[in-house]
Amino acid sequence: GEDVEQSLFLSVREGDSSVINCTYTDSSSTYLYWYKQEPGAGLQLLTYIFSNMDMKQDQRLTVLLNKKDKHLSLRIADTQTGDSAIYFCAESMGYGGSQGNLIFGKGTKLSVKP
Amino acid sequence: SAVISQKPSRDICQRGTSLTIQCQVDSQVTMMFWYRQQPGQSLTLIATANQGSEATYESGFVIDKFPISRPNLTFSTLTVSNMSPEDSSIYLCSVGGVAEAFFGQGTRLTVV
Repeated sequence: GEDVEQSLFLSVREGDSSVINCTYTDSSSTYLYWYKQEPGAGLQLLTYIFSNMDMKQDQRLTVLLNKKDKHLSLRIADTQTGDSAIYFCAESMGYGGSQGNLIFGKGTKLSVKP
Repeated sequence: SAVISQKPSRDICQRGTSLTIQCQVDSQVTMMFWYRQQPGQSLTLIATANQGSEATYESGFVIDKFPISRPNLTFSTLTVSNMSPEDSSIYLCSVGGVAEAFFGQGTRLTVV
């Protein structure tokens, strides 16, 4: 069945890099996503990667995808206190050409210490 | 990107009552999705709502408990019926493009 696994907690110092890891089981995933959820807020789409790509960089964010191992990671460079939040990994198999039927991990709570 | 507005943003309801959550999108979309996020948990898909047809429910969710309307391509409602404290969750509406998947801010429901 489909399953997305993430470590639950990560603590880093301000200015360091954060790496959040995720593994998934369904090799037919089309897109993989990283979302950020701050306390009391909804989900903010941070970035996504198509399943035939290895890497995607967007400013401080770098996504690495190892399709063979079904491993996805999100690296945040120069982590700031404002990056403290829960980060969710999600995969989509697509549905009628629309990405919206997502399988989510349990989320990684990132704590950034000053 | 799509802008999704949900109403209400939060509510406290008595057990046994029903609450209807509205989701408005700023562009026409074929499919809209409803998710539930129980306290401290991840998101679980409740159902997929297509305009002009009945919603498709995921395992563990039924139409009698979570009726959904989809009257046009920019709007959908989710009703949480005959509520119990176990229904206390955040309910989120989502739409997907060719690549991206966007979420509303969610409706934080507390059942007392």
